[in-house]
Amino acid sequence: GAGVSQSPSNKVTEKGKDVELRCDPISGHTALYWYRQSLGQGLEFLIYFQGNSAPDKSGLPSDRFSAERTGGSVSTLTIQRTQQEDSAVYLCASTQPPRTDTQYFGPGTRLTVL
Amino acid sequence: DQQVKQNSPSLSVQEGRISILNCDYTNSMFDYFLWYKKYPAEGPTFLISISSIKDKNEDGRFTVFLNKSAKHLSLHIVPSQPGDSAVYFCAASGDSGGGADGLTFGKGTHLIIQP
Repeated sequence: GAGVSQSPSNKVTEKGKDVELRCDPISGHTALYWYRQSLGQGLEFLIYFQGNSAPDKSGLPSDRFSAERTGGSVSTLTIQRTQQEDSAVYLCASTQPPRTDTQYFGPGTRLTVL
Repeated sequence: DQQVKQNSPSLSVQEGRISILNCDYTNSMFDYFLWYKKYPAEGPTFLISISSIKDKNEDGRFTVFLNKSAKHLSLHIVPSQPGDSAVYFCAASGDSGGGADGLTFGKGTHLIIQP
């Protein structure tokens, strides 16, 4: 398919472990976003990549979170020393500027920290 | 502090009737508003949007109304169909639709269409 893909779809981990979440944006989309949705909440914006430019990391919830984007395409979101409050669905979206309004979302990764 | 608020966690509407979903915002810098629809275990899908220079945008059964003075927008679905049952998220942006600040989402309204 030509949509945004994310892996894994589900991840269960123990508190204190590191996890890595992957996003493959739509081919040709240079803008990529990470959001997370905690239970009963709306989507919370985490970080934005435009091409190969360095992202603004100020939206990341703590310094345990980091993200990178290789070659302007695939992105990984890494959470170190996971905590129970990190449990959420992590969603990736991509779009093509100058139209950045319609963001195309992947199915998300459901992270459960025990 | 929530900048985008959807005060109804759920809404039940009979098939064929009009569904009205409401959204309020507090940030006067928002200039672009969107509605997304989400089914379980799927990512949100874009439904309809409106720029702050307009007060109405229509696409088939879906119409979005924007009242800037009240900082309020609503999504009308008419007639409502069973496939419309989903969670609807209101989203806003101060950068004409996204950019470096992403979108600010409400908590969503679960719309249930009853036969």
